Amino acid sequence: RKEVEQDPGPFNVPEGATVAFNCTYSNSASQSFFWYRQDCRKEPKLLMSVYSSGNEDGRFTAQLNRASQYISLLIRDSKLSDSATYLCVVLNFGNEKLTFGTGTRLTIIP
Amino acid sequence: GAGVSQSPRYKVTKRGQDVALRCDPISGHVSLYWYRQALGQGPEFLTYFNYEAQQDKSGLPNDRFSAERPEGSISTLTIQRTEQRDSAMYRCASRVTGLHTDTQYFGPGTRLTVL
Repeated sequence: RKEVEQDPGPFNVPEGATVAFNCTYSNSASQSFFWYRQDCRKEPKLLMSVYSSGNEDGRFTAQLNRASQYISLLIRDSKLSDSATYLCVVLNFGNEKLTFGTGTRLTIIP
Repeated sequence: GAGVSQSPRYKVTKRGQDVALRCDPISGHVSLYWYRQALGQGPEFLTYFNYEAQQDKSGLPNDRFSAERPEGSISTLTIQRTEQRDSAMYRCASRVTGLHTDTQYFGPGTRLTVL
């Protein structure tokens, strides 16, 4: 089983819709969680960290469920510019090694 | 510079040759990471440094791969006796952490093609 698993998609979603991604992780010692965004042929960039209580940044909401070991990302009122690959990232307690999921590809359709 | 830089951006080499990939992190960033990214996959951890000390090299595929960061700034990833399966995008990232922040800043990557 992969340490971090994501549905690779692709998700094709009409503009203005709400879309949600889930990510599961296998190591219960995981301590920090992030969502990164990667545009085609570009480097990954931090979208947001994921806090235990859940957090929101504009149209983006991240949630963490430690009991079920999954992380989610919700995008409301999706824009064409949201089209990208979204990478789930986990940092494990005791080391500073970050593990990336395979990414979920999102395309927003006009 | 403002961001992480890597050179060369593209490298084409013949099987059996050695290659050296360079990463220049954001000034002052303590941690530097190397990743390999295949098409359609997320970055795969190779190794990381805090200052000049290599903290974890568990992701290096085999002993043909090595990395160094002798002065705690620029880092070099070296692949000896390259093989076709080494072809990939190699990315480095410098990391900044704080009370409410933990961010990796990635460079543009080096696309390695082994013929």
